Amino acid sequence: DTGVSQDPRHKITKRGQNVTFRCDPISEHNRLYWYRQTLGQGPEFLTYFQNEAQLEKSRLLSDRFSAERPKGSFSTLEIQRTEQGDSAMYLCASSFQQSSNYGYTFGSGTRLTVV
Amino acid sequence: GEDVEQSLFLSVREGDSSVINCTYTDSSSTYLYWYKQEPGAGLQLLTYIFSNMDMKQDQRLTVLLNKKDKHLSLRIADTQTGDSAIYFCAEAYYGNNRLAFGKGNQVVVIP
Repeated sequence: DTGVSQDPRHKITKRGQNVTFRCDPISEHNRLYWYRQTLGQGPEFLTYFQNEAQLEKSRLLSDRFSAERPKGSFSTLEIQRTEQGDSAMYLCASSFQQSSNYGYTFGSGTRLTVV
Repeated sequence: GEDVEQSLFLSVREGDSSVINCTYTDSSSTYLYWYKQEPGAGLQLLTYIFSNMDMKQDQRLTVLLNKKDKHLSLRIADTQTGDSAIYFCAEAYYGNNRLAFGKGNQVVVIP
């Protein structure tokens, strides 16, 4: 297992287009998290899944954002009608529920640029 | 609510010690973490401390927690050029459904 994988690493899109990112967590981890990080800031929580269930969503996750984890393994984050303010690094992390207090494993992120 | 504050920039000579500070406002936080982020990369967990501890040492890293002042610090002994990065502190509630991060502290190690 090579850790948490995110694809693509970089995405440039025109304003108004839809984009989808993928995250493959560490295989035995049943929790998966999405965070967003803008330049010069720390990551901000967006949402998390336990297995296939989306258990919590931040108010940052507007109705243009949707996340899924259909089989409790990989997850996708879709942004519809992208805006320039969506430009950020989107980070995925995973953990095993029983040891989640000991920290997550983060992926390298997908950097989105909306032009 | 969650509000984590960090100072922004630290320059240190190779071989010296670095100290990075962080304050948090939510006294119900149960775990506090230090993460490292190198350019263009994700976050790497360095260490964590449970809120009923005052200190934790892990090789070159020493974490001090002052619950009364809600102050967390990370000391890196014998700082190396590979320690150049942005360091984030983060806090979590019991169950760790979400982490609240500070803005980060950039450490630049001068050879």
